[in-house]
Amino acid sequence: DAGVIQSPRHEVTEMGQEVTLRCKPISGHNSLFWYRQTMMRGLELLIYFNNNVPIDDSGMPEDRFSAKMPNASFSTLKIQPSEPRDSAVYFCASSPLNRDRGAFFGQGTRLTVV
Amino acid sequence: QKEVEQNSGPLSVPEGAIASLNCTYSDRVSQSFFWYRQYSGKSPELIMSIYSNGDKEDGRFTAQLNKASQYVSLLIRDSQPSDSATYLCAVDGSSNTGKLIFGQGTTLQVKP
Repeated sequence: DAGVIQSPRHEVTEMGQEVTLRCKPISGHNSLFWYRQTMMRGLELLIYFNNNVPIDDSGMPEDRFSAKMPNASFSTLKIQPSEPRDSAVYFCASSPLNRDRGAFFGQGTRLTVV
Repeated sequence: QKEVEQNSGPLSVPEGAIASLNCTYSDRVSQSFFWYRQYSGKSPELIMSIYSNGDKEDGRFTAQLNKASQYVSLLIRDSQPSDSATYLCAVDGSSNTGKLIFGQGTTLQVKP
């Protein structure tokens, strides 16, 4: 299995532009998580899906952030418009619905908004 | 109160010593607990999971869980310089289908 695949690995964009981050979870996994990691705030849970349905988006910082999971093999996290304070590493992780084996992380997308 | 709390460190130990990493959590109904290791510039990697009170050993790693005290720990025996990393504690909510929340992480430095 290729693991969780995220794209792009690096993204540099100008303030005000739309940014879309992509994630392909591990085949057969039912849960998908989006996290944001910064030095100041650590690893923050933004949103998670069970069986493609958003369960809890209370970690999404504001309306500029949105996430979708149109099918079991693909999810997107969109920021529109982007701001410099959105600069961070964004991780996608997936797990079986019964999380006895924990969640497995993608390589992350390093986002820089200038 | 944060949902999952860890001392950020750094925790510095000499090579060959035992490193002890601690974590407390606030949600009393939490059922599953995980330790992840994250090297600088890399993604978190699962190293241990524990669900029942007591100790669970895997090679040089031992996870300890005390649900009454809402406390999880990770012991690393015979610490090696390659163990130098940030260790993240993660807690799953009720029914094992809820949030997977991480602590801030503890940075471990193992000095040769």
